[in-house]
Amino acid sequence: EADIYQTPRYLVIGTGKKITLECSQTMGHDKMYWYQQDPGMELHLIHYSYGVNSTEKGDLSSESTVSRIRTEHFPLTLESARPSHTSQYLCASSPQANTGELFFGEGSRLTVL
Amino acid sequence: DQQVKQNSPSLSVQEGRISILNCDYTNSMFDYFLWYKKYPAEGPTFLISISSIKDKNEDGRFTVFLNKSAKHLSLHIVPSQPGDSAVYFCAAKHSGGSNYKLTFGKGTLLTVNP
Repeated sequence: EADIYQTPRYLVIGTGKKITLECSQTMGHDKMYWYQQDPGMELHLIHYSYGVNSTEKGDLSSESTVSRIRTEHFPLTLESARPSHTSQYLCASSPQANTGELFFGEGSRLTVL
Repeated sequence: DQQVKQNSPSLSVQEGRISILNCDYTNSMFDYFLWYKKYPAEGPTFLISISSIKDKNEDGRFTVFLNKSAKHLSLHIVPSQPGDSAVYFCAAKHSGGSNYKLTFGKGTLLTVNP
């Protein structure tokens, strides 16, 4: 049973629009992450957060931004979507004990026309 | 430059037989390795992990083997079941300052035929 939720699951949008992908978890995890994945490719970390008011960029450069105002909520925003942003975005969280085990949401598949 | 490599994009096995998924890595700083399973239209789920101080970890039908000298790990599924059909991602974490990060391979699509 997933305790991490992403909305929307699918989004088709025109170029130039602003979009926000929502991610919420009910496990009380301090660490949260955003990964980006294209079909047949590896997951790339684009953002992570250690806790409230803590956000850092990941390995893969991304034009998106994130915020962490509440422990359970980690939204990702694209101010002006472009076709190159078309991808799947996966949110994840992990407890403080750093075993490397991540709990993933079901993903948000974004298509920018 | 890929630090975690899964060189087989796909693997097909018969139900009841063994599935062996392979993963190679290049970074000697990796100290913890994980396998994730992903069904279509779902997020990855954690399957099994192994610390670099071990060479084997078993959980039911799933066993992960680590060969540090060869920088190679493998996931064995015995016996394979149709419900095991999914994409399997190998991931690694290193012990340095960026120990929150996982580096993923591209995944291997396993198909278990009834």
